[in-house]
Amino acid sequence: DADVTQTPRNRITKTGKRIMLECSQTKGHDRMYWYRQDPGLGLRLIYYSFDVKDINKGEISDGYSVSRQAQAKFSLSLESAIPNQTALYFCATRTGTDTGELFFGEGSRLTVL
Amino acid sequence: GQNIDQPTEMTATEGAIVQINCTYQTSGFNGLFWYQQHAGEAPTFLSYNVLDGLEEKGRFSSFLSRSKGYSYLLLKELQMKDSASYLCAVVDSNYQLIWGAGTKLIIKP
Repeated sequence: DADVTQTPRNRITKTGKRIMLECSQTKGHDRMYWYRQDPGLGLRLIYYSFDVKDINKGEISDGYSVSRQAQAKFSLSLESAIPNQTALYFCATRTGTDTGELFFGEGSRLTVL
Repeated sequence: GQNIDQPTEMTATEGAIVQINCTYQTSGFNGLFWYQQHAGEAPTFLSYNVLDGLEEKGRFSSFLSRSKGYSYLLLKELQMKDSASYLCAVVDSNYQLIWGAGTKLIIKP
């Protein structure tokens, strides 16, 4: 089993629908991240969390919200999906150091029609 | 602003050597990562450089020059499975990761 698991792996939805992407990890890391990847662009940070009570906005947080339900779980929500949120979304974890490597989930491909 | 530049695409031949360059302009520097990403899959860690010089890891090596804002990833004895995108990412002064758009490497027989 993967150390960082994302569900769903693929989702097609319509404009205006609420969508939740879930991430769980068994690595025991405190730091968790949500990234978005679009063709021709680098990974862009949406939100990150250093522990259950510490949640921070990334560079593109508008239109998204997150919930850190436990150390091992970090969910990303799109309250009202729009077509330009069509992208590949990655959850990642990191050790409690500022320069540790990131461990990524398999990705969730979201299409908003 | 902060900027990471990598070539969009490169082509190389199986068994050859290829060098993928990354130049950066960031607010501060606390290290540089290289990740490999196969199409439709998650990025996986290749290397981390924080000091100048070359670090070798099997067929892959990574070089850093902080004064020039430059790094490269060197892949030797290329195999078909090395066809992937290679992502460069810099840790800035706030310890945030700034990502390049990635270099798609195509390996031909």
